[in-house]
Amino acid sequence: DAKTTQPTSMDCAEGRAANLPCNHSTISGNEYVYWYRQIHSQGPQYIIHGLKNNETNEMASLIITEDRKSSTLILPHATLRDTAVYYCIVRPGTYKYIFGTGTRLKVLA
Amino acid sequence: EAGVVQSPRYKIIEKKQPVAFWCNPISGHNTLYWYLQNLGQGPELLIRYENEEAVDDSQLPKDRFSAERLKGVDSTLKIQPAELGDSAVYLCASSLGASVSTDTQYFGPGTRLTVL
Repeated sequence: DAKTTQPTSMDCAEGRAANLPCNHSTISGNEYVYWYRQIHSQGPQYIIHGLKNNETNEMASLIITEDRKSSTLILPHATLRDTAVYYCIVRPGTYKYIFGTGTRLKVLA
Repeated sequence: EAGVVQSPRYKIIEKKQPVAFWCNPISGHNTLYWYLQNLGQGPELLIRYENEEAVDDSQLPKDRFSAERLKGVDSTLKIQPAELGDSAVYLCASSLGASVSTDTQYFGPGTRLTVL
């Protein structure tokens, strides 16, 4: 299973874009990149996922490099409520999600 | 649309006591998952159900843990007897199915277990 590497923590000013990187250099061709976040005392919340192309939804944008070895989750206008642990998951061709320890994003007022 | 419901949200028990957690998945979701999350760590899968069948329980410690999903909807996870090391958050998730196009998982709020 492909392993992901994320920074342990990041800070972002409120109203600015938050760019969360993820390295998945061993990803294979049929593996999707998923992003979840977990706000304190809540369960993980699905954000977005993608295979090759960049994706955007109402919550965020996902930018996947052409070689697929890394990706960036972008929260365009971070708010205090976006403070959470963000998990980047490379999902093999099965249902299994393997969570790492994620990036702790703190949005500062 | 209602999300995944779990109860109780918090549970404190003495070691060697039994404990049970309940999960109601999103309506229409055939696949149900139980995860364990230790402090500071990501969730780890314990068991996956397809309808009422446990199709992957390889990570479930079967000496003390058991689970059931009668009628393919609600599910219960039980620990008997509980040990100090079982203190953690127990998360339930559900998805429409388990294929690439249907397996986005939606999580409940979890049950925080404290074993004294």
